[in-house]
Amino acid sequence: DTGVSQDPRHKITKRGQNVTFRCDPISEHNRLYWYRQTLGQGPEFLTYFQNEAQLEKSRLLSDRFSAERPKGSFSTLEIQRTEQGDSAMYLCASLSNLPPPYSGANVLTFGAGSRLTVL
Amino acid sequence: SQELEQSPQSLIVQEGKNLTINCTSSKTLYGLYWYKQKYGEGLIFLMMLQKGGEEKSHEKITAKLDEKKQQSSLHITASQPSHAGIYLCGADLMNYGGSQGNLIFGKGTKLSVKP
Repeated sequence: DTGVSQDPRHKITKRGQNVTFRCDPISEHNRLYWYRQTLGQGPEFLTYFQNEAQLEKSRLLSDRFSAERPKGSFSTLEIQRTEQGDSAMYLCASLSNLPPPYSGANVLTFGAGSRLTVL
Repeated sequence: SQELEQSPQSLIVQEGKNLTINCTSSKTLYGLYWYKQKYGEGLIFLMMLQKGGEEKSHEKITAKLDEKKQQSSLHITASQPSHAGIYLCGADLMNYGGSQGNLIFGKGTKLSVKP
């Protein structure tokens, strides 16, 4: 499988617990992104990595959220002390060049997402 | 306020009918992406538009970006049940000279196609 893999696909947890999601991007893609999508909304950018460096974080990423990409390959997104408002789909994507006829354009390839439900 | 407005929010069409989904911004769109999402799944890339007046087609789906680069439309000809899903537009609102991947998305348009 050469796509973006996310694990777990579904997670149900109680408020206050910690959860961790993993993303394995397409192997040759240097840039990895995390987005969050709540019901009826479009995805919202959280953070991204260039190799192992975290280059940008959205104001949506509170102190309870931490993301890592230690070896520049897979990434983890941890949420500490989960709240009901954290219930959402967490999407991972990697960035690549688009082939012709596109010129100088990139595209995000998304994984299937990890759905979090906080009770 | 939502930076990318999509309309309609939802659409039910009879199989075989044509339909159009719109995506509008008050700011210049430097890269406009159309994705399709099945419920509970990830986003599948459809097309990307960069230049004002540009139009791209893939199978029965055509996307256009207006000359001012502030509005895009997605048109499906002779809709089929396989076209059902949520269509999302996403855009670069900064001119990076190539997407940095930090996209703003609309809320999506839910399309149902009745056989």
